[in-house]
Order: sequence, then structure tokens, then C-alpha cells
Amino acid sequence: DSGVTQTPKHLITATGQRVTLRCSPRSGDLSVYWYQQSLDQGLQFLIQYYNGEERAKGNILERFSAQQFPDLHSELNLSSLELGDSALYFCASSVGLTLEDQYFGPGTRLTVT
Amino acid sequence: AQSVTQLDSQVPVFEEAPVELRCNYSSSVSVYLFWYVQYPNQGLQLLLKYLSGSTLVKGINGFEAEFNKSQTSFHLRKPSVHISDTAEYFCAVKGSGYSTLTFGKGTMLLVSP
Repeated sequence: DSGVTQTPKHLITATGQRVTLRCSPRSGDLSVYWYQQSLDQGLQFLIQYYNGEERAKGNILERFSAQQFPDLHSELNLSSLELGDSALYFCASSVGLTLEDQYFGPGTRLTVT
Repeated sequence: AQSVTQLDSQVPVFEEAPVELRCNYSSSVSVYLFWYVQYPNQGLQLLLKYLSGSTLVKGINGFEAEFNKSQTSFHLRKPSVHISDTAEYFCAVKGSGYSTLTFGKGTMLLVSP
């Protein structure tokens, strides 16, 4: 158990819908990272937040957005969902700004039908 | 830009045999290198990392990797594998000045009795 929690574990929804994935980092960690793992694209970094501020952006679609709240949990919002958004979404956390010691959560499996 | 190539998508091996999982990277700057393991239906777990110093890095579960700058490689090795090592292994690179990880496509290690 890495100490990073993600909810829900599984999510099934229809095209065009909007969903919110939630992540609670390890106690004391200020950085949260979001990743997408799909069969087509492999593992891709989406976005990083540090203490409530966006710090780095990767291959995140405009239909996707994220935020980190004062209690340091983070949410990833996916809207206008397409079949190709079906993937495993991982959250990771680290103490500081750098990711050398990031810990991954168990992931949320999103299925878009 | 930075990229990672994992040369084998699948590596079958018998229990107690040695194994090497290959990883080559491309980066225009000095790099940090990582190996992660993903067991079925779980998140990623850090096996080992190279940040600086000795080019031979030892990790958890008896794995080690060698950083070879001239060959731009970071191959993962284990002298004797167990059935429980069956998992997907990901190599990742972070260039200095970059704040994100770039992952390879992964290598599935299949250990049979």
C-alpha cells in the first residue's frame, strides 16, 4: 500500500458524459501527478500540482482539467468523453516539487461506452 | 525532447533463470532514469532509480540496473527470477530541466515453472 488513495476504483460511463476522479496523496506530500495509461498511448504524464498550484503540464487534452484543493487532495475532471478516453488513470504524489520519489495510487479504470 | 525505448514487449523466462530487460533512452540533457514494476491490477511501484554517482544501481526484490551513458542504456537485471516477478516493467527518463517523466511502452516479464 503506497498511501495514495484513488476513488472510484472503476467507472463506466457513456460518450459525451463528464466524470470526476479523486486522489488523496500520502500524508505530508505536497505534489500530485496525474497519468493516463491506455493500450494505444502507453503511460503518459498529464499534469502536476504542487500545494494547490499547477506546476507542469503534459499531454492533457483541453477537455480534461484538474485542481488541487487546500487539503491537498486532487480531482481530475474529464468531460465530453470519447471512447478513446477509456484508460487507467493513475495519481501519484511526492513530498516536494520533484518526482524522483513519487508514489503511485492503485488507479481508476475508466470505461467509456 | 526525451524518449525511451524498451526493446522487448514480452520476455518469457523460466523460474530461477537470469533475466535482462532492455531500455534505451534519448535525451539532449543529462538524465535521471527509473524502473517501475506494475503487478496485475495494481499501480506502479518504484524498483530503482539512477540520479547520479555509481552507474550500478541496486533496487528492491534483488533487481539491479546499470547506467551506460555511451550506449544510452539502462538495462534491468536479476540473477534468478521467481514466479512472483511476473509483472510489467516500465523504464522511464527525466531530463534535467524537465519536470516530467517519459515512460517506455513496458516489458511484460512472464516467469514460468
